[in-house]
Amino acid sequence: AQKITQTQPGMFVQEKEAVTLDCTYDTSDQSYGLFWYKQPSSGEMIFLIYQGSYDEQNATEGRYSLNFQKARKSANLVISASQLGDSAMYFCAMREVYGNNRLAFGKGNQVVVIP
Amino acid sequence: SAVISQKPSRDICQRGTSLTIQCQVDSQVTMMFWYRQQPGQSLTLIATANQGSEATYESGFVIDKFPISRPNLTFSTLTVSNMSPEDSSIYLCSEGGGGTDTQYFGPGTRLTVL
Repeated sequence: AQKITQTQPGMFVQEKEAVTLDCTYDTSDQSYGLFWYKQPSSGEMIFLIYQGSYDEQNATEGRYSLNFQKARKSANLVISASQLGDSAMYFCAMREVYGNNRLAFGKGNQVVVIP
Repeated sequence: SAVISQKPSRDICQRGTSLTIQCQVDSQVTMMFWYRQQPGQSLTLIATANQGSEATYESGFVIDKFPISRPNLTFSTLTVSNMSPEDSSIYLCSEGGGGTDTQYFGPGTRLTVL
């Protein structure tokens, strides 16, 4: 069964600083995808970044990068140069390609960016 | 990326009533999903909406409580039946091909049951 762990408590980060959100996962599948989503207070789920298990390079999308350490089964999200609009919940998710092929979510990390 | 819309965006309902949520995607998609997010919680998959066949429900969710329709490749509805305050949640529609495909979400429907 898939399991995604996000254990950090709510985080405060200074504007323009970088923040790292931890995510570890557990799977026996060799082929899987890792996702990060942002959920502001409005409730919408905004896709940020994707990393495939066979991708050799860490994924990057603008200010977002994913620090993928396959042997440690971790997929940490790094947000560089934080902005006030980055204040939100951040969810890590995984989909096993040959497992149940369904996206499963961690419990989320709350980030508050302070000026 | 697919653009997904949901209606209504929010609603306040009385217990015992039902609400139907609509989800529209701007392109044909293979798989559509319905998720529930209870207050302060993460997302839980309710079911996969299959075009031309019955929805596939996850453990703990049943068709009588959450009937789903998928009449074509761009549209689906979720009905929350015989509502109770415990059904107060954000309901999110999602699309994705599975495998290594990216998965996008609609803006959600914020439901409050009194």
